Amino acid sequence: AQRVTQPEKLLSVFKGAPVELKCNYSYSGSPELFWYVQYSRQRLQLLLRHISRESIKGFTADLNKGETSFHLKKPFAQEEDSAMYYCALSPLGDQGGSEKLVFGKGTKLTVNP
Amino acid sequence: KAGVTQTPRYLIKTRGQQVTLSCSPISGHRSVSWYQQTPGQGLQFLFEYFSETQRNKGNFPGRFSGRQFSNSRSEMNVSTLELGDSALYLCASSLWALLGPGELFFGEGSRLTVL
Repeated sequence: AQRVTQPEKLLSVFKGAPVELKCNYSYSGSPELFWYVQYSRQRLQLLLRHISRESIKGFTADLNKGETSFHLKKPFAQEEDSAMYYCALSPLGDQGGSEKLVFGKGTKLTVNP
Repeated sequence: KAGVTQTPRYLIKTRGQQVTLSCSPISGHRSVSWYQQTPGQGLQFLFEYFSETQRNKGNFPGRFSGRQFSNSRSEMNVSTLELGDSALYLCASSLWALLGPGELFFGEGSRLTVL
């Protein structure tokens, strides 16, 4: 079964502190992984995808197939990073060409001043 | 470019009724997918359409159905509403890629309350 687990519902850090949002997945094939973010009163939007290997707004995420994890990290959190973060998996192996995503339940990040 | 537009934004229905939700994708996007979001289950995939064909369906009962029109606009329908159908229904559009998912662009959602 395809599953994405985000163990922390809530995460609170101070401005300037490092932040790591955890994501673990369960999938036997070769997944593609994403982080989506929803800022207050805004739409859900893509933050980054592992295949792009890029840093967006200072965030990076590394796919660790051995640990089946895709944690999102930022060395110095900013207040504007406060948002709801969702990890998502695309089961490419089974659904070639599909846009289907399996989402985790999300982590609400609060960055305190 | 206008974003994904969903109508209506809010609606209240009673058990047993049916509801139709509409989604207009970003111009040029031919793939539309639907998700149900609830506090307990989070975001769950309902179905996706490409060129008027349903390509994939999530694990929902047959009361949930959808369709896509030639202009890529999509509708989803829920018949015989139950209290548990109360949720935010999100539509997302994308430039469909042969080898895998592209970036999904989400609408603001239609919030359905079933009384």
